Amino acid sequence: DVKVTQSSRYLVKRTGEKVFLECVQDMDHENMFWYRQDPGLGLRLIYFSYDVKMKEKGDIPEGYSVSREKKERFSLILESASTNQTSMYLCASSSPQLTGGHEQFFGPGTRLTVL
Amino acid sequence: SQQGEEDPQALSIQEGENATMNCSYKTSINNLQWYRQNSGRGLVHLILIRSNEREKHSGRLRVTLDTSKKSSSLLITASRAADTASYFCATGRRGSTLGRLYFGRGTQLTVWP
Repeated sequence: DVKVTQSSRYLVKRTGEKVFLECVQDMDHENMFWYRQDPGLGLRLIYFSYDVKMKEKGDIPEGYSVSREKKERFSLILESASTNQTSMYLCASSSPQLTGGHEQFFGPGTRLTVL
Repeated sequence: SQQGEEDPQALSIQEGENATMNCSYKTSINNLQWYRQNSGRGLVHLILIRSNEREKHSGRLRVTLDTSKKSSSLLITASRAADTASYFCATGRRGSTLGRLYFGRGTQLTVWP
């Protein structure tokens, strides 16, 4: 079974702190994604990566950066956390080799609160 | 940007009844997928239907796709309390080779015992 793990289930940070959210997948997937989920807004894509060291902006990249130094790990960085970044963050991975449909496998999520 | 829009936003039924959720989208797609999310957890893939398919079944799930109307429906038969969750549709756009999916805002399904 594919497993996607996220470094924390709950995280509380102060405004202005640099925050690292880590995501690891164990199935050699090429693609990895970071979303944030807010009530009434659904899932919004922040960044995604289709290969090591490659990244693409999603719909809401402002205030975030990402790093993918190894295939299995995709990190989301909040350079200077702000209260409007309080949200649920979801990581996902996929591979075009599976069914050709790019079905995504999600981690359990990190609920981040910025005070 | 969102691609799919689920309808209704919320659905409340009794155990044993069928639940139907709809999804509409705007652009040409390669496939449409449905995901489920239990409260406060990650999403779980349920079923994928390709653009050249009209109907697909998996256990108590039945998905239909009408590309002429740019719409899909998810039917859950004989609902159980454990089916209580949010359900999202997601589309893979035609011409996209990077695996990006576009998610809707979801339907919150509540099944009462």
